[in-house]
Amino acid sequence: DIQMTQSPSSLSASVGDRVTITCRASQGINIYLNWYQQKPGKAPNLLIYAASSLQSGVPSRFSGSGSGTDFTLTISSLQPEDFATYYCQQSFGTPRTFGQGTKVEIK
Amino acid sequence: QVQLVQSGAEVKKPGASVKVSCKASGYTFTNYYMHWVRQAPGQGLEWMGIINPGGGQTSYAQNFQGRVSMTRDTSTTTVYMELSSLRYEDTAVYYCARRASVVAGTQLGLGRYYHYYMDVWGKGTTVTVSS
Repeated sequence: DIQMTQSPSSLSASVGDRVTITCRASQGINIYLNWYQQKPGKAPNLLIYAASSLQSGVPSRFSGSGSGTDFTLTISSLQPEDFATYYCQQSFGTPRTFGQGTKVEIK
Repeated sequence: QVQLVQSGAEVKKPGASVKVSCKASGYTFTNYYMHWVRQAPGQGLEWMGIINPGGGQTSYAQNFQGRVSMTRDTSTTTVYMELSSLRYEDTAVYYCARRASVVAGTQLGLGRYYHYYMDVWGKGTTVTVSS
């Protein structure tokens, strides 16, 4: 199975901050990498697919980059509604696997 | 609009089975595979498997082989996930999620290949295993 490792596991940031979350795959996965946001008590919501493609309706302050084994999700200017947990997920192989999540908290 | 409506919360005893439903609407049911993903309390997301509503083919995660069954009913546009021999550690929220795709490229002799992602999710069904 492809292991996905996110860092950090949690972070504290202020509104307006630039936030970067990293995701590393245990083997090369090209750009078969998706990012999701999950708020407490809610289902995950797709933000980015194919490493850098913004899902329709997602604000442009979210962006993704990377290929191979190393990927990043960037929030250019953190907004109050962005405090949530973020997951990366690989779609290169089966089983599909997720990172352990990064919780973004208010500083 | 595209919607996945899941069945209500369940409480089951250890050793029992649970069957969760996910009714799809707003799109052509047989054109999109459906994933099942679960989340234990305070934990991350765990992929369980996928079903093709068109032909009924399934692929399950090794962790659930022999205990999970995914089926579909095209007449009601509903997919089902049944988990048997329930254990306390199966207590979780279970989600269905639609598999969407975009063309990633074309490979000579093999045709198109795709990026896949989970674009629409159900609200989740809480399954509690308790004696």
